[in-house]
Amino acid sequence: EAQVTQNPRYLITVTGKKLTVTCSQNMNHEYMSWYRQDPGLGLRQIYYSMNVEVTDKGDVPEGYKVSRKEKRNFPLILESPSPNQTSLYFCASTGGGYEQFFGPGTRLTVL
Amino acid sequence: QQPVQSPQAVILREGEDAVINCSSSKALYSVHWYRQKHGEAPVFLMILLKGGEQKGHEKISASFNEKKQQSSLYLTASQLSYSGTYFCGTADTNAGKSTFGDGTTLTVKP
Repeated sequence: EAQVTQNPRYLITVTGKKLTVTCSQNMNHEYMSWYRQDPGLGLRQIYYSMNVEVTDKGDVPEGYKVSRKEKRNFPLILESPSPNQTSLYFCASTGGGYEQFFGPGTRLTVL
Repeated sequence: QQPVQSPQAVILREGEDAVINCSSSKALYSVHWYRQKHGEAPVFLMILLKGGEQKGHEKISASFNEKKQQSSLYLTASQLSYSGTYFCGTADTNAGKSTFGDGTTLTVKP
C-alpha cells in the first residue's frame, strides 16, 4: 500500500531536549516536505526536499533541521525544542502529478 | 505570500452548492486543493496547472484563472461526507515550495 508514515504520532517533551520525528514514504517520490499546522493558521511549510541531499527552507524554518540521505526518508530534527514549537506536524510526499500525499501527523507538545 | 481563501466558513444543507475561492498576489504555477477532516491528514482533491484549465471529479470541480491568480472550488449537490476544512495550496514554480491558505470550513447538515 502506497503510504507516508510518521513516528511518533504523539510526543510530549520538555524544552531543550533534542528530538527527531521520522518520515518515510514507499512511493519513490523525489519531493518531500514538512508542515506544521496550528489552529487558524493553516499549513505552513517548514522545509522541503527535491531529492537526496537537496533541501531548502519553507516559510517557517527557524528552530528546525532536516536531512535527506535516502530517497524514502526525510526526518525532522528539533535540536532545542521550545514551547512555541508545540504543534501538529505533517510530512508529505509529492507525486509525479504534483499531488501531495500526507502522513498521519505527529502531535508534539513542548513543556 | 500566503493565498487568501474565502469564505472562512460555510454551512450548507445536503444537496446545496458551494464555492470556495483562493486568491494569490503572486503569479502562480499551480493551485492544488485538499480536504481535511477533523483529526485526520489533508487529502488531495485536485491540482490545476497554469493554463487556465478546469478539472472535475464527480460533483467537485475547480477552475484556475492564471491572469487573475485565482482558483475556485465548486461543490455541487453537497453530501454529508463533504464536511471538513478545504485548503488551497499554491506554488509559483514546480520546485516544491508550497504555500497554503488558512482553510475554509464546510459543514453540511442533513
